[in-house]
Amino acid sequence: GAGVSQSPSNKVTEKGKDVELRCDPISGHTALYWYRQSLGQGLEFLIYFQGNSAPDKSGLPSDRFSAERTGGSVSTLTIQRTQQEDSAVYLCASSLAHSLSNEKLFFGSGTQLSVL
Amino acid sequence: QKEVEQDPGPLSVPEGAIVSLNCTYSNSAFQYFMWYRQYSRKGPELLMYTYSSGNKEDGRFTAQVDKSSKYISLFIRDSQPSDSATYLCALISNDYKLSFGAGTTVTVRA
Repeated sequence: GAGVSQSPSNKVTEKGKDVELRCDPISGHTALYWYRQSLGQGLEFLIYFQGNSAPDKSGLPSDRFSAERTGGSVSTLTIQRTQQEDSAVYLCASSLAHSLSNEKLFFGSGTQLSVL
Repeated sequence: QKEVEQDPGPLSVPEGAIVSLNCTYSNSAFQYFMWYRQYSRKGPELLMYTYSSGNKEDGRFTAQVDKSSKYISLFIRDSQPSDSATYLCALISNDYKLSFGAGTTVTVRA
């Protein structure tokens, strides 16, 4: 596709339910990132993929959060047993490669997650 | 203390004014400096990218980096209502870690 695609754009769920958020990166981009954006908090790094492997999972807030990437393309972020503090916009980004000089990230429009 | 500090604003200016945005950082390992623009309900998009101290211009936008003071700025000249957005600074350290500021919300009044 022309850009990074995320689905759903909005998700409302009840506390305790599991949710899956999907990211379809730009074709050919080997690096994929998940960020969380809360009001007034900026972008919080969650996890980074190079191909299908995740060299850096350091930003995942708890073991309720997990992510996978298959075929070097689509990625899914799963949040189990959602809590109200998980409410935020979850942004996915991709880039051609993970390097200092080529770290131009292309972001999707995000998934607005609301946990009631 | 956050690695990257950015005043969230909001900042409201009349059309045609110069918008001045800035970030400070504490980690001298940051080597690359970027500014992203984020419109409401959209993801951030890269606006400016630089790695050296000094100024870089692109149209109405000027990015300024002062590594000795650990201070970066973005100036928008002749601001337009279409410049109304949230502007985030982003810094990359030499271990590829990317850190974002909290973002400054700017409104340009017609």
